[in-house]
Amino acid sequence: GQNIDQPTEMTATEGAIVQINCTYQTSGFNGLFWYQQHAGEAPTFLSYNVLDGLEEKGRFSSFLSRSKGYSYLLLKELQMKDSASYLCAVRDRGYGGSQGNLIFGKGTKLSVKP
Amino acid sequence: DGGITQSPKYLFRKEGQNVTLSCEQNLNHDAMYWYRQDPGQGLRLIYYSQIVNDFQKGDIAEGYSVSREKKESFPLTVTSAQKNPTAFYLCASSIDRLAGKNEQFFGPGTRLTVL
Repeated sequence: GQNIDQPTEMTATEGAIVQINCTYQTSGFNGLFWYQQHAGEAPTFLSYNVLDGLEEKGRFSSFLSRSKGYSYLLLKELQMKDSASYLCAVRDRGYGGSQGNLIFGKGTKLSVKP
Repeated sequence: DGGITQSPKYLFRKEGQNVTLSCEQNLNHDAMYWYRQDPGQGLRLIYYSQIVNDFQKGDIAEGYSVSREKKESFPLTVTSAQKNPTAFYLCASSIDRLAGKNEQFFGPGTRLTVL
């Protein structure tokens, strides 16, 4: 079956670093996405990994290990506005019509405290 | 400005009524998607369309219908057959569906409440 696991909630302090983990078991793999979603709003794209390793983009970095079915999103110098849900999604490489669709985890709600 | 619009943001309907949620994009994207989001759940795919006049069922299509008569428009109808329609509905689009870092861009969502 298809399964993506993330912690439900995390809390961190302003200015700190936080790591949000994502593990996946899918029938195929063709890339992993991280999205940020503020409450009641649309998800916005943060990062994409398809090869093993670290992708850095400003205060946000994302890491992928395909052999371990594992990714993490690293947020540095946390700000209050980073309080949001973070969604991990895997692009399926299944057969037939489902190829290319994204499978989403349930999201991790991050609360940043002063 | 290019983007995806959904209207209305909040929608109330009585049980047993069909309701249509609109989704329009001016990004010239081929692929469009409808998701449903419930508290504590991930986004679940309802329908998707790779090209005009073509659409496919996602994981939870029962009780929903769509059309794709124009590239920019992908309306979703929530029918009375949908047993639990109250949810946050998100429309998305991407350049195409299959390859590369073709991230999906999301609209602002419609929160549907069935009374």
